[in-house]
Amino acid sequence: GQNIDQPTEMTATEGAIVQINCTYQTSGFNGLFWYQQHAGEAPTFLSYNVLDGLEEKGRFSSFLSRSKGYSYLLLKELQMKDSASYLCAVTADDYKLSFGAGTTVTVRA
Amino acid sequence: IAGITQAPTSQILAAGRRMTLRCTQDMRHNAMYWYRQDLGLGLRLIHYSNTAGTTGKGEVPDGYSVSRANTDDFPLTLASAVPSQTSVYFCASSDSTGGANVLTFGAGSRLTVL
Repeated sequence: GQNIDQPTEMTATEGAIVQINCTYQTSGFNGLFWYQQHAGEAPTFLSYNVLDGLEEKGRFSSFLSRSKGYSYLLLKELQMKDSASYLCAVTADDYKLSFGAGTTVTVRA
Repeated sequence: IAGITQAPTSQILAAGRRMTLRCTQDMRHNAMYWYRQDLGLGLRLIHYSNTAGTTGKGEVPDGYSVSRANTDDFPLTLASAVPSQTSVYFCASSDSTGGANVLTFGAGSRLTVL
């Protein structure tokens, strides 16, 4: 199976930057995903990385280092609506997504 | 509105009862999945189906069964519910089973087994 670790909680101020780290150990690797989940709602797709490097999408960026088994999600210019859980997920040889427990980000005014 | 519909939204169930959670998608996605989400454990895969007529076991399949008679529907059945099956259940689908396998999730079904 996959072992995926990410911090449980993070707090940041509106307008600031927050970086959510994710480390993983997996048998085979076919990509890393980040999902956002607001309380009581369904997870929604944010980003996908399969090659090393940074993928940027507006205020959100995701980085991957395959050799280190490491990724981070960077949230810039934080807004109150960014308060949510952020889920790191990896796909192994079977292409099924395995999720970490999620990081709850709280944005303060 | 295209997407995934799950029913019921919420249910309280006595232990030992049989329960079927329904999931329907209108995106013509080939693959469908059932996950359960528990505090501190994240989403765990119960069963999946890569295409109509096929199913497979995920990480936590015991006590659950699924069927995939057609592309759109993927019901999850608890034959005899137990309290440890209290959870939020998410159905998901994707149009690919490899590569950038982006999942679209339903709104979830909250199940409480007493």
